[in-house]
Amino acid sequence: DVKVTQSSRYLVKRTGEKVFLECVQDMDHENMFWYRQDPGLGLRLIYFSYDVKMKEKGDIPEGYSVSREKKERFSLILESASTNQTSMYLCASSQGNANYGYTFGSGTRLTVV
Amino acid sequence: GQQLNQSPQSMFIQEGEDVSMNCTSSSIFNTWLWYKQDPGEGPVLLIALYKAGELTSNGRLTAQFGITRKDSFLNISASIPSDVGIYFCAGQRSGGSNYKLTFGKGTLLTVNP
Repeated sequence: DVKVTQSSRYLVKRTGEKVFLECVQDMDHENMFWYRQDPGLGLRLIYFSYDVKMKEKGDIPEGYSVSREKKERFSLILESASTNQTSMYLCASSQGNANYGYTFGSGTRLTVV
Repeated sequence: GQQLNQSPQSMFIQEGEDVSMNCTSSSIFNTWLWYKQDPGEGPVLLIALYKAGELTSNGRLTAQFGITRKDSFLNISASIPSDVGIYFCAGQRSGGSNYKLTFGKGTLLTVNP
């Protein structure tokens, strides 16, 4: 089975801190994605990557950046955390053609205080 | 970004009842997927549909790919308490990027024992 592993289940950070969320997948998938999930808003795409060192902005990239130095790892960076970035963050990966769907990690619940 | 219209937003049912939810769009889709998210976890793929009119079952779950290719339905029969969670539809749009899925906002299901 494909596994997508997010490094932390829960994080509490202070306003202004630089925050790194790490995601690793073990099935050689080309594509990786970062979403945030908020009640009533569904899944919103922050960034995605279709190859090493390649990235594209999603629907809500402001305040975030990403890094993909190796195929299996995709990092989400909050340059200066703010309270409105308190959310559930979900990483996902897929083959080149997504018609088999995305495989999601278990999520990181981030609280910014 | 575009999202699918998923309804209902939430449902409160008694154990043993059947459940129906659906997703609609103004666009044509090549693939429809249904996910379930348990509380505190990431979404997990339940059913994938690839052909207009296709009807697919997974245990007590049955999903259909609408004939117009603009909608999909998920039915859960004889609900049990562990069916609680958020159900998401997702689709791969015809003419869109083959790595991109569009998601509904989810249906929150609560089952009273």
